[in-house]
Amino acid sequence: ETGVTQSPTHLIKTRGQQVTLRCSSQSGHNTVSWYQQALGQGPQFIFQYYREEENGRGNFPPRFSGLQFPNYSSELNVNALELDDSALYLCASSLTGAYQETQYFGPGTRLLVL
Amino acid sequence: DQQVKQNSPSLSVQEGRISILNCDYTNSMFDYFLWYKKYPAEGPTFLISISSIKDKNEDGRFTVFLNKSAKHLSLHIVPSQPGDSAVYFCAASARKYGNKLVFGAGTILRVKS
Repeated sequence: ETGVTQSPTHLIKTRGQQVTLRCSSQSGHNTVSWYQQALGQGPQFIFQYYREEENGRGNFPPRFSGLQFPNYSSELNVNALELDDSALYLCASSLTGAYQETQYFGPGTRLLVL
Repeated sequence: DQQVKQNSPSLSVQEGRISILNCDYTNSMFDYFLWYKKYPAEGPTFLISISSIKDKNEDGRFTVFLNKSAKHLSLHIVPSQPGDSAVYFCAASARKYGNKLVFGAGTILRVKS
């Protein structure tokens, strides 16, 4: 069984640039959720994708957007990067419709905005 | 608003003893609770969970207790091992809110040998 994978592992961007992060879900899972983890804090929910549509969004501005593909993989796009966007971005996959929808996380992408 | 709180930033325990990590929540709609362990430079690893219809769930050395009336859950690790040293996150979700996870800030556990 293949776990959740994310790419790239690390990324450095400058303020105002755009970034795309990628996630492949665990085999058998149909839902992907994205989280932002700032230093010293717990992960914060950004949004979730199910059946290629956004299925819930946290308190993040519209410049955070995403996609889910037919193979359930997903992208997180962030436009007009700000210094505060520097964080660990985590992707988690789960199976919607399961009795208990446990989310399993990938290793994360660490983004540094200068 | 912090709906999930882990009030102890860190905990130090001797190898072989019990580690007890605590978590409080405020939203009574939460119906599923999870604990994740995180090592540096890795993503959170699922440890154990509990549904709101239960008050205890056990998996090997790990036991989670849920007290709904107090809106409190705890993770017990016994016996503690040096490899358990990590950051532990408590998380909660509600089917009503689409099962998004709300996390606490984490507790750093250090198990001394």
